[in-house]
Amino acid sequence: GGIITQTPKFLIGQEGQKLTLKCQQNFNHDTMYWYRQDSGKGLRLIYYSITENDLQKGDLSEGYDASREKKSSFSLTVTSAQKNEMAVFLCASSQDRGCNQAPLFGEGTRLSVL
Amino acid sequence: DAKTTQPDSMESTEGETVHLPCSHATISGNEYIYWYRQVPLQGPEYVTHGLQQNTTNSMAFLAIASDRKSSTLILPHVSLRDAAVYHCILRVALTATGGNNKLTFGQGTVLSVIP
Repeated sequence: GGIITQTPKFLIGQEGQKLTLKCQQNFNHDTMYWYRQDSGKGLRLIYYSITENDLQKGDLSEGYDASREKKSSFSLTVTSAQKNEMAVFLCASSQDRGCNQAPLFGEGTRLSVL
Repeated sequence: DAKTTQPDSMESTEGETVHLPCSHATISGNEYIYWYRQVPLQGPEYVTHGLQQNTTNSMAFLAIASDRKSSTLILPHVSLRDAAVYHCILRVALTATGGNNKLTFGQGTVLSVIP
């Protein structure tokens, strides 16, 4: 079966640092997503991509960059980590365009900023 | 903004059947209702989805009101493993020429299961 792999699982950064999170999927899915989840809150969409080299802003794109280098991978960059920031970043993928398959999620990258 | 409304928390006892409500009064005709659940330290797990008809699978039964303004996820004979945050979300159906890929999550319902 397929899998969505997020690396790293845990990320500790310094204030002001640029941090990159990676996501790989082997489902051959078209669309990939990056969500942010803060403690006790719902998921908020940062960026998504419907195909290779495509990029669509979500509701929380400010302070982030993303890159869909190839169909199977989608990376997210925190452009300047904020002091005491703690959140979980979740990657998801889905096969769309006529096949309304439910998006599947990775296990997340847990970010802590010192 | 989230387009669904769910209770913040619910409690159940092992073996009971749980009814998790979700209100989506402004749902559009081309929006599917999706349910996910999430346990600590893991990403959301797909449970079920539907458009208009009730659906059932090995995990749950989804009852959709005839006017589609609300739905209920029914978990039969819950166990401790069913304790999780349950998210009810709407997703626009996609066509070959377009559509909205976004999922909008609310805070979900925290389901606690007592032994």
